[in-house]
Amino acid sequence: NAGVMQNPRHLVRRRGQEARLRCSPMKGHSHVYWYRQLPEEGLKFMVYLQKENIIDESGMPKERFSAEFPKEGPSILRIQQVVRGDSAAYFCASSPGPDRTQYFGPGTRLLVL
Amino acid sequence: GENVEQHPSTLSVQEGDSAVIKCTYSDSASNYFPWYKQELGKGPQLIIDIRSNVGEKKDQRIAVTLNKTAKHFSLHITETQPEDSAVYFCAASTSGNQFYFGTGTSLTVIP
Repeated sequence: NAGVMQNPRHLVRRRGQEARLRCSPMKGHSHVYWYRQLPEEGLKFMVYLQKENIIDESGMPKERFSAEFPKEGPSILRIQQVVRGDSAAYFCASSPGPDRTQYFGPGTRLLVL
Repeated sequence: GENVEQHPSTLSVQEGDSAVIKCTYSDSASNYFPWYKQELGKGPQLIIDIRSNVGEKKDQRIAVTLNKTAKHFSLHITETQPEDSAVYFCAASTSGNQFYFGTGTSLTVIP
């Protein structure tokens, strides 16, 4: 009964490098959400995806950030040319459908040096 | 967009006492209100949720109340235990897609 899985759990990048964060939803879930959490703050919505479709990316920065959820494999959140301000915990959640409870993974903690 | 405010930011209670965390929301269209518990270094875990068609929901020592008119909802934890110590987040959702989170309450239960 695996829950939402995220990897890596910790990621260190230097400024200008690319960060790739992966999320495998719970079994039977086809909806994935990405959130960002800055230290001592709440979670901020970034993007909502279904298989092969981006449904809502209103919380995603316009530049350097992209997300995908291919037909096969995990969802990927990609951050290009990382800057120190990108340092945060990135959480993925999944649900079996829209307007359903979202279950969160353990997060990826990104540190940009 | 929706704005969720959460109080208090920190809360300390003696073991066995009750803890209450309050949240307000701004969008009257919000219809789903989950509460999450986050332990250090872990992801948020759903502990209870409520939809706008009910006013109260209880699960053992945890209860949530919702006042749609006043646009606020509260988490009640009774008979607190040290393992209840964590950060608690409330959230509100209109479409079920985006969750708008409060800023969190750090609860400490003192043995």
